[in-house]
Amino acid sequence: QVQLQESGPGLVKPSETLSLTCSVFGTSISAYYWSWIRQPAGKGLEWIGHMYATGGPTYNPSLKSRVTMSVDTTKSQFSLKLTSVTAADTAVYYCARDGVRKQRSGGAYFFDYWGQGALVAVSS
Amino acid sequence: DIQLTQSPSSLSASVGDRVTITCRASQSIGTYLNWYQQKAGQAPKLLIYVASSLQSGVPSRFTGSGSGTDFTLSINSLQPEDFATYYCQQSSSSPYTFGQGTTLE
Repeated sequence: QVQLQESGPGLVKPSETLSLTCSVFGTSISAYYWSWIRQPAGKGLEWIGHMYATGGPTYNPSLKSRVTMSVDTTKSQFSLKLTSVTAADTAVYYCARDGVRKQRSGGAYFFDYWGQGALVAVSS
Repeated sequence: DIQLTQSPSSLSASVGDRVTITCRASQSIGTYLNWYQQKAGQAPKLLIYVASSLQSGVPSRFTGSGSGTDFTLSINSLQPEDFATYYCQQSSSSPYTFGQGTTLE
């Protein structure tokens, strides 16, 4: 079955770069868009961006200047880098698959599989 | 960005009740609206996609409806495991956005 698993440091110092990797099992990483979503403690969900294995990424404009996403099809992994972090970036970070239902008007996307989440704290 | 406003923010209910959560979009999004359930300490789980399609494995007591700017998630005959936080999410245009959540207590 489809499984996603985030990995990376749980503690990052202010002004440094947050790096996370999502390992994908049970599905082709080349056939879907892959998203990163974060959730500060006790708050709602924020979509960071997504990318397709063979296409360019799309980032949330609110984070665009600090975000880089990439896909490694040979390892079936995709990754997130967030630069110049502050305490406001402390959150649980989720990776997710963008499922799609094809319609006449285009694809309708939804997050059908999620990782368990990785808590990243920004602190000195 | 498209804003999604859920109401109510919290809802008190009992086992066996029928409850309805509303999600209103700041502009028309067709049927590009999805619903998720999140329990404490867990990742969100997809319940409904494209406004009214039930995700595989989700009980039929969950139903979604709506189009344009107004959407609802209804839960018939609440079960103990349904007490959680529910989020709507739009995929009509980037950036994808979520509602602020509705906690079922």
